[in-house]
Amino acid sequence: SQKIEQNSEALNIQEGKTATLTCNYTNYSPAYLQWYRQDPGRGPVFLLLIRENEKEKRKERLKVTFDTTLKQSLFHITASQPADSATYLCALTDNYGQNFVFGPGTRLSVLP
Amino acid sequence: DADVTQTPRNRITKTGKRIMLECSQTKGHDRMYWYRQDPGLGLRLIYYSFDVKDINKGEISDGYSVSRQAQAKFSLSLESAIPNQTALYFCATSDMTAYGYTFGSGTRLTVV
Repeated sequence: SQKIEQNSEALNIQEGKTATLTCNYTNYSPAYLQWYRQDPGRGPVFLLLIRENEKEKRKERLKVTFDTTLKQSLFHITASQPADSATYLCALTDNYGQNFVFGPGTRLSVLP
Repeated sequence: DADVTQTPRNRITKTGKRIMLECSQTKGHDRMYWYRQDPGLGLRLIYYSFDVKDINKGEISDGYSVSRQAQAKFSLSLESAIPNQTALYFCATSDMTAYGYTFGSGTRLTVV
């Protein structure tokens, strides 16, 4: 069965450092990989999408890489701030959007 | 107004009761989804609909039913609620190009 793993349940880093979150998947050939941010008691908020034929995508302080050979995506937040503290979810979907699977999430805490 | 509105925000109900969770959206998207979120299990798909006449079961549809009343409205029903349906429920929408989901703020359901 399809499975998505995110590197750790929780990650603590110091303000100003780069946070790196990992998403690994098995038994899946996704067309798209997405990253979301979720704050406690709120719905996930879409951050970035990367396609299977793209290696890297950037948006402001965020960078996502996608390695379909390793079946892995890395999500980086540079110059992290306490306001970046949240749970980050990765999600995979096929070309038709009919097979949308979420990972369990990594709770990031940026310490001042 | 929020793009995706879920009602109620919180609900406590008794075992065996029928309950309906409602979702409406102003995004103009054709695709709508219902997810439940449990600690440690992440988001799991219950049902999804790609247009008004299209309803599909997700990973965990047993014990749930849905109705797509209009392009903008998608409701989730628990015909006979049981305690293990206690969870946070999210409605989401997307367009055909899979540029990320837009989630509602969620309904926290407790079945006692």
